[in-house]
Amino acid sequence: AQSVTQPDIHITVSEGASLELRCNYSYGATPYLFWYVQSPGQGLQLLLKYFSGDTLVQGIKGFEAEFKRSQSSFNLRKPSVHWSDAAEYFCAVGARGGYQKVTFGTGTKLQVIP
Amino acid sequence: GAGVSQTPSNKVTEKGKYVELRCDPISGHTALYWYRQSLGQGPEFLIYFQGTGAADDSGLPNDRFFAVRPEGSVSTLKIQRTERGDSAMYLCASSPGSNTEAFFGQGTRLTVV
Repeated sequence: AQSVTQPDIHITVSEGASLELRCNYSYGATPYLFWYVQSPGQGLQLLLKYFSGDTLVQGIKGFEAEFKRSQSSFNLRKPSVHWSDAAEYFCAVGARGGYQKVTFGTGTKLQVIP
Repeated sequence: GAGVSQTPSNKVTEKGKYVELRCDPISGHTALYWYRQSLGQGPEFLIYFQGTGAADDSGLPNDRFFAVRPEGSVSTLKIQRTERGDSAMYLCASSPGSNTEAFFGQGTRLTVV
């Protein structure tokens, strides 16, 4: 069975600082990996995805993530955080074509301080 | 509509009652997904429709939960004999096909008292 671990429940960073959110997955084959963001009162929004190819994936809002098969990781990064990035971030893994039956992690809540 | 619409946005019901949660997907999207998100947790897969049929309902927790999509558009998640443990945010998503990006609605927050 597929699973996702997000070891950091809550992270606080200063505006303008760099950000890295950790994600480890468990899946028997080549995984389909996602990062979603959820802001209060908003639906889940896809930031980026990895299906195959280049292991460094660019997403929206200046985010990127790197797939490392040897470490079973898919960490999310942003070089300079903006106050509007404060939200909850979910890493997820899918199978059988990608978006079907996606398994989400428990999320990391990002707080941005001035 | 512009996005996935879920109604109601909030539902409070008494333990033991029956509830229906509605999802209007983006027009033309053939794939539809239901997820449940409990407080402090990530969304948990419930069921996936391709057209009118449930392609995968392995996430439904028990037989009190049922979902339909009779015309391949609107879907209804039905919960019988609700329990306090059913309290959660219920999320719906749709996509043009099963291999394309899924767009989420804002959810229905169900509270069972």
